[in-house]
Parts: sequence; C-alpha cells; structure tokens
Amino acid sequence: EAGVAQSPRYKIIEKRQSVAFWCNPISGHATLYWYQQILGQGPKLLIQFQNNGVVDDSQLPKDRFSAERLKGVDSTLKIQPAKLEDSAVYLCASSVSRERDEQYFGPGTRLTVT
Amino acid sequence: GESVGLHLPTLSVQEGDNSIINCAYSNSASDYFIWYKQESGKGPQFIIDIRSNMDKRQGQRVTVLLNKTVKHLSLQIAATQPGDSAVYFCAEGGGADGLTFGKGTHLIIQP
Repeated sequence: EAGVAQSPRYKIIEKRQSVAFWCNPISGHATLYWYQQILGQGPKLLIQFQNNGVVDDSQLPKDRFSAERLKGVDSTLKIQPAKLEDSAVYLCASSVSRERDEQYFGPGTRLTVT
Repeated sequence: GESVGLHLPTLSVQEGDNSIINCAYSNSASDYFIWYKQESGKGPQFIIDIRSNMDKRQGQRVTVLLNKTVKHLSLQIAATQPGDSAVYFCAEGGGADGLTFGKGTHLIIQP
C-alpha cells in the first residue's frame, strides 16, 4: 500500500513569509498527525485530527500556525508569518484510529527560514 | 512537563555484535511505548511496540524490554548490520494519543 505522502520535500523562505505543507495519509486512516522535528531532537506533536475534526492542538502555536483537514483525508499545515526558529522538518503521520495504533510517518518537509 | 529521554546520544558497535539502546521515561501513567528508527532524510519507521502489561516483546532481531519499576525501556538489536545505522527514538503513547518522543540515540555500526 502507498505510504504517507508529503510535499514539498524542501522549502526555503525568508522570515515573515508564509508557507504551506501538504499531507496525504494512508488510505482509510482516520487519524492524522503533524509533528515538528528540530535538528537533533525527537518529533514534537503539533496537532492531531480524527477525520476532519481537531482532537489535540495544545502544542500548536496558534498565533502563526494553522492546520486543516476539511474533507477528512488530505491535510495542510500553514505558517504565517514564519520565524527563524520554525526551521525544522515537519512530519505528517497517520494511523487507522486513535486507539494507539501504529503511526506511519511520511518523509517530511524540511523548512529553512532565513 | 513529562517527557521521555535517552541515555546516550551516540552508540557505536561492531558489525555483528548486539546493541542495546536505553530510554528513560518520566510519565508513570504511560501505558504504551514504541521504538522508531529514523534514517537520514526519512521519517521515523516503526520497529516494535510494547504495552505496560508486558515486560518483554520480541520481533525479528529486535527485543524491547520494559521495566515499569524504574521507568526504563530498552531496545536490543541482535547481530547488527550496516543497515541498522540510524537514529533510534523511544516514544510514549500518552493520554493525548499523539506520541511524545525522546531526543534519540545515533547508532553507528563499525565494519
């Protein structure tokens, strides 16, 4: 089966610009996650969706980050305006359900903010 | 806040030897733990998981041990191969359902 798809793979922007990342989860997976992974650290959960509803966005910097999953399939994560400290890899993951099933990760989008 | 962490940032082993990667967690309420492998430029890849009602679980060449008394988790990789070179993360599945990851251990396989 196809894995989690993400695009773009790389993005370089200047601070104060905006950027958007796209994720297509594994077909049939109801739960979708966005993680931020700063270099040298483990991924940190930003937001979790169950179908098209937000389950947990407690660690999402809502003043600049937003995410949606309108039809319960694809998802986009947006940063506006970007800061230098947003430079990281943004990982999307999906799982069949919220019941602690295995999460499958995409390859990530590497964002560099200059 | 609660977190999971790893004892060593880098572990170097000879090819063919066994390796043990350790992890300490702090949330005593955690009941689900996972090990992920992450190669350069890729997303984390599931290796093995264990629930808190178990002490040990084995997979193909990998074994996870859970000691709830001291809140310690370990990953044992038997007969390491060059392809095992990667960063290994332990993660905790908590009440929010998203995973809490540690910082990672970089496993280097020496020829």
